Amino acid sequence: AAGVIQSPRHLIKEKRETATLKCYPIPRHDTVYWYQQGPGQDPQFLISFYEKMQSDKGSIPDRFSAQQFSDYHSELNMSSLELGDSALYFCASSHGEGIQYFGAGTRLSVL
Amino acid sequence: GDSVTQMEGPVTLSEEAFLTINCTYTATGYPSLFWYVQYPGEGLQLLLKATKADDKGSNKGFEATYRKETTSFHLEKGSVQVSDSAVYFCALTINAGGTSYGKLTFGQGTILTVHP
Repeated sequence: AAGVIQSPRHLIKEKRETATLKCYPIPRHDTVYWYQQGPGQDPQFLISFYEKMQSDKGSIPDRFSAQQFSDYHSELNMSSLELGDSALYFCASSHGEGIQYFGAGTRLSVL
Repeated sequence: GDSVTQMEGPVTLSEEAFLTINCTYTATGYPSLFWYVQYPGEGLQLLLKATKADDKGSNKGFEATYRKETTSFHLEKGSVQVSDSAVYFCALTINAGGTSYGKLTFGQGTILTVHP
């Protein structure tokens, strides 16, 4: 069965640079969630979209923005990167009963 | 706000030992409860779930029962294997109604290491 696809899997950036993370949900899933997992930490909710509209917002810095496109894929844009942004970024998608299925994640390293 | 608390510290067991990982929660609404597992270098995989009080979720020999009276969702397995070594996260989401559930709130995670 198709899963949630995230790209890239690994990303290395310098401080103050920008990064774009992409997420392709499971077909027919209408909701996308973004989570940030710091080293040794639990995943923290950033933002979610339902039918291309922002549905909820968590602890997402103002330097970050995200959107969901007409084909339901989503992109997380991160600007003015800081060392503390180094983390594993997960995307999850859901539909119907609401179980969230996670991608393998993008590991962002800010140097 | 909503929160999930898991037992602190890593858990180390010998193969075929009994496993319990404690999980308690506080929630403003009526939550659904989940256990996710994360293998090294991989994403989160749903292990089991329960959506109402007294429901028992089960999968791959793991079980957890939704106890509303004690606000708990402890994970158990009767005989662990080396391949069960992973990080286990307890999580909740609030049933917002309709077809769209809310964000997941995770516990701190419990590292399980099983030795042969």
